[in-house]
Amino acid sequence: DGGITQSPKYLFRKEGQNVTLSCEQNLNHDAMYWYRQDPGQGLRLIYYSQIVNDFQKGDIAEGYSVSREKKESFPLTVTSAQKNPTAFYLCASSTREIADTQYFGPGTRLTVL
Amino acid sequence: AQRVTQPEKLLSVFKGAPVELKCNYSYSGSPELFWYVQYSRQRLQLLLRHISRESIKGFTADLNKGETSFHLKKPFAQEEDSAMYYCALGGVSNYQLIWGAGTKLIIKP
Repeated sequence: DGGITQSPKYLFRKEGQNVTLSCEQNLNHDAMYWYRQDPGQGLRLIYYSQIVNDFQKGDIAEGYSVSREKKESFPLTVTSAQKNPTAFYLCASSTREIADTQYFGPGTRLTVL
Repeated sequence: AQRVTQPEKLLSVFKGAPVELKCNYSYSGSPELFWYVQYSRQRLQLLLRHISRESIKGFTADLNKGETSFHLKKPFAQEEDSAMYYCALGGVSNYQLIWGAGTKLIIKP
């Protein structure tokens, strides 16, 4: 089974700790995205990357950081500066064609204790 | 600013009844509209996009530029259609999609 994988499925964090969420894809896609999904708010873009070693902030980047050292990988770090980190996080990828279909991972549910 | 509005958070219909999930957008350029679906315990996936002009699982959606709408329709709902549906707008900037808040569709037996 290929596509996009995210790990872990569930993650618990104490306040004040940084955590890193993994996202890997084997679709040979150049573009990758991180979204936050909250009930009643749809998907909000955190960061996206169009190519290796390049990424841009989305609408809600504060308190998050990313890296894109490899085409296949786009990890997201939720830092202690993120005031309300408990949420469901989705990773996606696509080609670089404008408005191409995005393919999603299964998600990671982060809970701050 | 560009926006996607899905006015219904929850829509409940009986099996066999017609279904219409509403989506309105605000964008002055040439929009690319999508419907994504998230079934229970499954990942979010593309249902259909307006440029394809195809029917998927009996669902269709027509882009109405005059009314800036992209409503999703199915003439006869089935129980397996129960899911969360998101409308999304693309082609605005770079590779981003602008998402609606989603509509939870429940099909009652």
